[in-house]
Amino acid sequence: KAGVTQTPRYLIKTRGQQVTLSCSPISGHRSVSWYQQTPGQGLQFLFEYFSETQRNKGNFPGRFSGRQFSNSRSEMNVSTLELGDSALYLCASSLVGRQGDHEQYFGPGTRLTVT
Amino acid sequence: SQQGEEDPQALSIQEGENATMNCSYKTSINNLQWYRQNSGRGLVHLILIRSNEREKHSGRLRVTLDTSKKSSSLLITASRAADTASYFCATTPGANSKLTFGKGITLSVRP
Repeated sequence: KAGVTQTPRYLIKTRGQQVTLSCSPISGHRSVSWYQQTPGQGLQFLFEYFSETQRNKGNFPGRFSGRQFSNSRSEMNVSTLELGDSALYLCASSLVGRQGDHEQYFGPGTRLTVT
Repeated sequence: SQQGEEDPQALSIQEGENATMNCSYKTSINNLQWYRQNSGRGLVHLILIRSNEREKHSGRLRVTLDTSKKSSSLLITASRAADTASYFCATTPGANSKLTFGKGITLSVRP
């Protein structure tokens, strides 16, 4: 089975712009979670989607949003980019919708740099 | 805020030695998971231990969980240079709750 894929792998944007990141989960996985990783804050949970519904949400401003499609693929969007949004954005999928009960399979991440 | 706190923050050992990493957490948990991350890449799941389990093995990995002390340890035996990575513990208070990761431990295994 193919693993979790994320596109693009690298992205450079300017402050004030918006960005959309994409994640394709492992075939058959219905839960997709997003994380932001920075040297200062570590790994922080953004949100989780299961069957096109947001199940959990982290403590991020409304500029961060996401959605999941009927084929379980997910996108996250960050509007009005700030320098502090520079990070590695990781997507993870799991077989069922209980994030805390099953292992997460992570993609390679999208490295976003905001200048 | 991080739920899990790993200790030490960095560890450097010689190939063939054992590496022990610790994780402490603050609230009651449903399970605890350990992940590995090679430099700047995605995380790889290593092992999941449930709150009613005390010890679990997977190959060269041994994980223990002490819910009374709210702590877990990850032991890697006979370490290899390829074990060089960052290791994270992650906890959740319930099956439907989000995973919360610690800040990670950087392990360097010298050949």
